[in-house]
Amino acid sequence: AQKVTQAQTEISVVEKEDVTLDCVYETRDTTYYLFWYKQPPSGELVFLIRRNSFDEQNEISGRYSWNFQKSTSSFNFTITASQVVDSAVYFCALSKNSGGSNYKLTFGKGTLLTVNP
Amino acid sequence: KAGVTQTPRYLIKTRGQQVTLSCSPISGHRSVSWYQQTPGQGLQFLFEYFSETQRNKGNFPGRFSGRQFSNSRSEMNVSTLELGDSALYLCASSFRTDSYEQYFGPGTRLTVT
Repeated sequence: AQKVTQAQTEISVVEKEDVTLDCVYETRDTTYYLFWYKQPPSGELVFLIRRNSFDEQNEISGRYSWNFQKSTSSFNFTITASQVVDSAVYFCALSKNSGGSNYKLTFGKGTLLTVNP
Repeated sequence: KAGVTQTPRYLIKTRGQQVTLSCSPISGHRSVSWYQQTPGQGLQFLFEYFSETQRNKGNFPGRFSGRQFSNSRSEMNVSTLELGDSALYLCASSFRTDSYEQYFGPGTRLTVT
């Protein structure tokens, strides 16, 4: 069975601080995908990144960066110089590659990030 | 390019009734998945459709069903509503079915009284 754990339920920071959201996953599959989604108050989940299990390179996109470490089964997300607009619930998710079929995401419980001015 | 649309956005029903929710995927996307989001259980996968076929199903009772039409639009139906079915129902579309990134709609907020 697959499982995603986001141990941080809520994080509160002051604008311009850096913040890291933790994600630990469990899977028996050797091929899988990891995702991060952002859910602002409007409710719509916004796709941020997809990473496959064979690509452990860290990725940076503007103020966002992701650290994927298979050895610790972690896929952490860092926001540099946080802004008030970053306030949202962030979800880490896991899916398995079943050869082109059977696609579903297993989500963590989410981390509520509040960035205060 | 228009995003995923879901109708209605808000719905209030009473116990025992049934409800149908609709989802229109992004143009060209053939895979549609449905998720239920509640404060207690979080986001849970309901089912996925690709080319009018249900490809995968989550652990929900048979009261939850869905279908996909030839234009990739999808509907989900919940019969004999229970209070615990109150949730945000999210639809996501994807170009492919093999773990490609999914794009979510704004959701339908269902309240069962």
